[in-house]
Amino acid sequence: AQRVTQPEKLLSVFKGAPVELKCNYSYSGSPELFWYVQYSRQRLQLLLRHISRESIKGFTADLNKGETSFHLKKPFAQEEDSAMYYCALKYSGGGADGLTFGKGTHLIIQP
Amino acid sequence: GAGVSQSPSNKVTEKGKDVELRCDPISGHTALYWYRQSLGQGLEFLIYFQGNSAPDKSGLPSDRFSAERTGGSVSTLTIQRTQQEDSAVYLCASSLEGWGQFFGPGTRLTVL
Repeated sequence: AQRVTQPEKLLSVFKGAPVELKCNYSYSGSPELFWYVQYSRQRLQLLLRHISRESIKGFTADLNKGETSFHLKKPFAQEEDSAMYYCALKYSGGGADGLTFGKGTHLIIQP
Repeated sequence: GAGVSQSPSNKVTEKGKDVELRCDPISGHTALYWYRQSLGQGLEFLIYFQGNSAPDKSGLPSDRFSAERTGGSVSTLTIQRTQQEDSAVYLCASSLEGWGQFFGPGTRLTVL
């Protein structure tokens, strides 16, 4: 069965410091990974997906199949980045969009 | 509205009572997902609908939990004989064939 692991429940960094949110996965098929974000009092929303190779709000994530990782990075954290971040893996059996989520990392950016 | 909506936004109930949570997906979205979000457990998958059928119910934690979807649209998640450990935020998401999941605001359930 597929699994997504986010080892850090809480990550606190200072404004302007680099941020790396870790995500590891296990899946027998061809992986497709996503990062979702939930700001305080807002709904969960898609941040980025690896197939798009995009940078959203300064965040990037590279799929490393050798290390089975999809870490989320930002070179200079901003206070508005404080949120809950979930890594997710698309899997077969959940329709075209079925996802398995990690337990999430609460990112706090200190001023 | 254009997004996924859920009702009620908050529900407080007494242990042992039944509750119904409603999800209105984005119009035209064929797939619908229910999740439970709680501290320390993250986002737990509960059930997935394709149209009105549920190919994957593997995440339902017990037989007290059930869900249905009618008309390929609205879905109801029912929890019978609620327990305190059922307290959580219940999220619904809908999608259209590979365009990704769009989430509702959630229903916060508190079981006293």
